[in-house]
Amino acid sequence: RKEVEQDPGPFNVPEGATVAFNCTYSNSASQSFFWYRQDCRKEPKLLMSVYSSGNEDGRFTAQLNRASQYISLLIRDSKLSDSATYLCVVNRQAGNTPLVFGKGTRLSVIA
Amino acid sequence: EPEVTQTPSHQVTQMGQEVILRCVPISNHLYFYWYRQILGQKVEFLVSFYNNEISEKSEIFDDQFSVERPDGSNFTLKIRSTKLEDSAMYFCASSSDNVNTEAFFGQGTRLTVV
Repeated sequence: RKEVEQDPGPFNVPEGATVAFNCTYSNSASQSFFWYRQDCRKEPKLLMSVYSSGNEDGRFTAQLNRASQYISLLIRDSKLSDSATYLCVVNRQAGNTPLVFGKGTRLSVIA
Repeated sequence: EPEVTQTPSHQVTQMGQEVILRCVPISNHLYFYWYRQILGQKVEFLVSFYNNEISEKSEIFDDQFSVERPDGSNFTLKIRSTKLEDSAMYFCASSSDNVNTEAFFGQGTRLTVV
């Protein structure tokens, strides 16, 4: 089983749509969870950290279910500029340990 | 906003040559990392560096690779005797000394081995 597994995508959605990304992780000891976004041939950029209580940042909502080892990201009212690959990222242990990346889900928002 | 900077942005090298990829982490960060991403694949961890020594490395980071922090600001990745399969984007990242902190990535060096 892959350490971090994501929907393969791609997702093609019209502007204004709501889109959900799902992710599962295999290591139950994982401590920190993130969503990064990566534009084509660019570096990963942190979109948001994911907390057990769930968190929201504008149009973006992240949820974590530790029991199911499941992470989600919801984008509401999608914009053309949201087109990118969304990476689910997990930190195996507490503190500054290496990040484990999912392969990413590509999103294309269409006018 | 502070950022991680990497040079060069693109490096083309012949198979068997040595390359050095350079990174300047965010100045108050203490943890440094190298990751790579082969085209079309996921980002993979190579090595982490703390307190002037390697703290963790992956199975990819074999004797062909080495890292160094020669002058307190630069953080370098050396790849000896490059192979075609070393062609990838190499990302440097850094993070501060906090629990659960996120890593900030440089813009990457695209290495092409011909």
